[in-house]
This record gives sequence, C-alpha cells and structure tokens, in this order.
Amino acid sequence: KNEVEQSPQNLTAQEGEFITINCSYSVGISALHWLQQHPGGGIVSLFMLSSGKKKHGRLIATINIQEKHSSLHITASHPRDSAVYICAAVFQGAQKLVFGQGTRLTINP
Amino acid sequence: KAGVTQTPRYLIKTRGQQVTLSCSPISGHRSVSWYQQTPGQGLQFLFEYFSETQRNKGNFPGRFSGRQFSNSRSEMNVSTLELGDSALYLCASSVQRGPSDTQYFGPGTRLTVL
Repeated sequence: KNEVEQSPQNLTAQEGEFITINCSYSVGISALHWLQQHPGGGIVSLFMLSSGKKKHGRLIATINIQEKHSSLHITASHPRDSAVYICAAVFQGAQKLVFGQGTRLTINP
Repeated sequence: KAGVTQTPRYLIKTRGQQVTLSCSPISGHRSVSWYQQTPGQGLQFLFEYFSETQRNKGNFPGRFSGRQFSNSRSEMNVSTLELGDSALYLCASSVQRGPSDTQYFGPGTRLTVL
C-alpha cells in the first residue's frame, strides 16, 4: 500500500532553533514534494526532489532513496515559519500525489 | 503572472444539492488537479485534467466529476451533496502533466454542507 508518514505531528520551538521534520514512505517513489500551508488554507510548494538535497534560503530538503526517507530542515527558525508542513509522494507507477498527515510547527518568539 | 484563482471562496449548501467549483490556472499551465482536504482524511487527490481530458482519478465516488475547458480553466462538480463532503477543495496547476512537476495551489474553496 502506498503510504506516507510524517513525524512529529506537532512541533513547538523557540525562535532561532534548528527544525527537522521527517517524512517516510512505503515503497519506491519518483518524486517527493514538501508543501507549506498557512492558516486560512493556502498551500505553497517549497521543494520537489527525487534525489539528493535542495536548499532555498533557510530551508533545506534532503531525500534518501534507499532508506525511503526525506527531511525538511529550517535553520534560524522564525515565528513566520509557523505553519503546517506536508510531504507528498509520487509513487512509481502512479500518477497522483499521496500526502502525509502534516506537521504543525509553532515557533515562539 | 497572476496565481491560481478559485471561485467561490466560501460556499454553504444543504444535503442533496449539487455544487460547481471553478479553478483558473496560471497562464500557460495546462494541467489542473483537484484535491479535497478534511480534518479526518487530510489531503486527498480527486482528479487531474490535462488538455481537456481527465488523466487520473482518485478514489472518490462518481458524484465527484470535473471538466476542463480549452483555456485550461477547470470546474469540479459534486452532485447529491452529503455532510461528509464538507471540506476545503483545492486546485493546483502545473506546466506539465502529472504530479512530478511543481504544483501551484489556489487559495481553495471552503464548502460547508448542512
């Protein structure tokens, strides 16, 4: 069964801390997305990756294909990073996104 | 470039009614995908349209349907509404067909079924 699991479900940290959100999936994938959803519902695509590592500003996404695992890191976290972060996988042979349940991140000043 | 737009943003309907939601993709994007988000099930894929043809479909009943017009705008229709259809409905557009392309999401339509 094609499944995506995220951890932790909720994460509260202080401003400036280094944040890691994890995503694991059940079988082989062709791509993995990291998304950010703010209160009110709007979703922004942060990264799409199929191997290695990508960086954009304070955000870094990595993926280990052999271990079926991806991580999203936030350096020097800020209260504006507070949001729900969702990973979504494209399983091989399937043409649709399968979503994790999301990680609710709260950064306190 | 203007982003993905969805109309209406909020909608209240009663059980048994039908509803049509609209999505206008980013100019030049030919793929439109629809998603349902509920507190219990999270985000789930409904269907994808590319060049006016449905390319992929998720595990939803036939009450959920859609179409895409020649200008890539897409509509989603839900007939015989049930309480469980209350959700945030999101559409996303991309340049290429399929989910292995960056998805640009609209703000969503929040549907409440009473």
